[in-house]
Order: sequence, then C-alpha cells, then structure tokens
Amino acid sequence: AQTVTQSQPEMSVQEAETVTLSCTYDTSESNYYLFWYKQPPSRQMILVIRQEAYKQQNATENRFSVNFQKAAKSFSLKISDSQLGDTAMYFCAFMIVTGANNLFFGTGTRLTVIP
Amino acid sequence: DAMVIQNPRYQVTQFGKPVTLSCSQTLNHNVMYWYQQKSSQAPKLLFHYYDKDFNNEADTPDNFQSRRPNTSFCFLDIRSPGLGDAAMYLCATSRPTTAPFPNEQFFGPGTRLTVL
Repeated sequence: AQTVTQSQPEMSVQEAETVTLSCTYDTSESNYYLFWYKQPPSRQMILVIRQEAYKQQNATENRFSVNFQKAAKSFSLKISDSQLGDTAMYFCAFMIVTGANNLFFGTGTRLTVIP
Repeated sequence: DAMVIQNPRYQVTQFGKPVTLSCSQTLNHNVMYWYQQKSSQAPKLLFHYYDKDFNNEADTPDNFQSRRPNTSFCFLDIRSPGLGDAAMYLCATSRPTTAPFPNEQFFGPGTRLTVL
C-alpha cells in the first residue's frame, strides 16, 4: 500500500520569506512520481512541481524547489520569496508509473502568507 | 484554452434524492477521474475511466456510479445521497502520452455538494 504523510497541518510565513513544507511517503515500488499540488481557497487544484523518482537532481520551478531524499522517502517543498498568492492548501501526492496511475494524496498543509 | 470544466460549481440536494455531477474536458485526454474531497481532507479517488474502461476503487460505495458517454464528458451519479456524501467532488483528466510529463493530472474547479 502507498501512503503519503504531511505532518504539518498548518503553517504560516511572512511575505518574502522562505518556508519548507514536509512530506514523507511509503512504497515498495521503485518507479514512481512525486508531486506537489496547490489548492487556493475556492479555486481549483494546480500542479506546482513534480519529481521523477529515478532522477537524483531536485526539481525546481521558479520560486519552488524540492528536496527529494529517496532513501529516506522524503519529498519536501521549499517556497522562496513567499507571496500573498501562495496562500493555499498544499498537497503532496504520489503516483506509481505503471498501472492505473492513480494519485495518492497526503492530508495537506494549509499555508498562510502574512503581509 | 484547453481545460476541465465542472458543472454545477455548487449543488444542493436532499437526503436520498439522486443527483448528477458533470465534468467535461477540451484536452482530449483519454483518462478521466472522479475524486471525493471532504472538508480538510485529502482527495480520495472514487473511480476512473481509461477510454471506455471503467475502473472502480475497491472501497467506493455502490451508491456512487459513473457514466462516460464520449471522450469529452463524464458524469458522477449519486443514487441516494446521504449526509456523509457532502463533499467537494473533483474531476481530473490525464493522457499517458502527454509531453513532457505523461499522466499528469489536470483538475477541474470542483463541485461542492451539500446534502440537506
């Protein structure tokens, strides 16, 4: 079974500061993808960043980067220069490459950016 | 713009009264998913269609059904809604050959279902 754990239900950060959201997962699979999704209040879920498990290099997308530690099964998200528009629920998710390609989500971290 | 559309955005129904939620997509993706997201919880996959093949999750209640009449549309039918079915219902799509990242899921805005 696949599980995704986000141990921080809520976090806050001052505007322009940096924040790191934690995620751990458990799987016996070797070929999988990891994602961070953002769900702003009353708005749709959008993909923030993704990481292929076979890649050692950490993914980056502008102000967003991940720290992928495969042996530790850890996949944290760092948001640099936080902006008010970053206020949202952030979900860590996991997908096995073969089969149905279902997404397994963590319970989410509610991030508030404080002006 | 290519997108995933869900109608209605808000749906109110009565206990036990059947309700249908709609999802359409202009992405020409062959996989469509339905997730249930209860308040402050993670989205939970109910089922998905791979083309015309229906794939039900083992723990999805029989009360939930789905139809996919064509590539663009997919419906979620709740035959007898209970109070516990009040949730946000998310539709998502994907395509195994999507470049640069196969199987990335694209989400609609969701339909918030209230059961009175």
